[in-house]
Amino acid sequence: AQSVAQPEDQVNVAEGNPLTVKCTYSVSGNPYLFWYVQYPNRGLQFLLKYITGDNLVKGSYGFEAEFNKSQTSFHLKKPSALVSDSALYFCAVRESYGQNFVFGPGTRLSVLP
Amino acid sequence: DAGVTQSPTHLIKTRGQQVTLRCSPKSGHDTVSWYQQALGQGPQFIFQYYEEEERQRGNFPDRFSGHQFPNYSSELNVNALLLGDSALYLCASSLKTRGLGWNEQFFGPGTRLTVL
Repeated sequence: AQSVAQPEDQVNVAEGNPLTVKCTYSVSGNPYLFWYVQYPNRGLQFLLKYITGDNLVKGSYGFEAEFNKSQTSFHLKKPSALVSDSALYFCAVRESYGQNFVFGPGTRLSVLP
Repeated sequence: DAGVTQSPTHLIKTRGQQVTLRCSPKSGHDTVSWYQQALGQGPQFIFQYYEEEERQRGNFPDRFSGHQFPNYSSELNVNALLLGDSALYLCASSLKTRGLGWNEQFFGPGTRLTVL
């Protein structure tokens, strides 16, 4: 069975500093990995995905994520955080030919001015 | 190009009632998935519809049912509502790509269901 863990409920970072939101996963086959962001009273917005290829994936709004197969991790990163990045971030995984997306519990990111 | 749309935005029902939520997928998408997001939690997969059939189902009781129409739009029906069904219900659409399966999902704004 697929599963996703986001070990931090909350991440606080000062504006302008780099940020990392952690995600680890478990699947039986090759993983397809995704990051989504959710602003208050809104649906989820797609940020980036890893399907195959380079381990460093670049996405929307300056975000990137690093796929590490040996550590089964897919951490979300940004070199310089903005106050407007404050939101709820979800990591998701599905098996390469599976249909079911499994989401992590979410990490609330607060960027302090 | 319209994204995923859902209706209604908000809904208030009482225990035991039935509810129908609606979703129109992003233009060009053929697959619709439904999720339940309880307050403070990540979305939980309910089921997925492709080619008008339920293809996969999460751990939800039979009170939750759905339908997909020929134009790819979808409905989620919940019977005999319980207080615990109160949540944000998210619809997501995607496109099945030959050789790759399903790619990223695009989400609608959700329907907030409150059961009193």
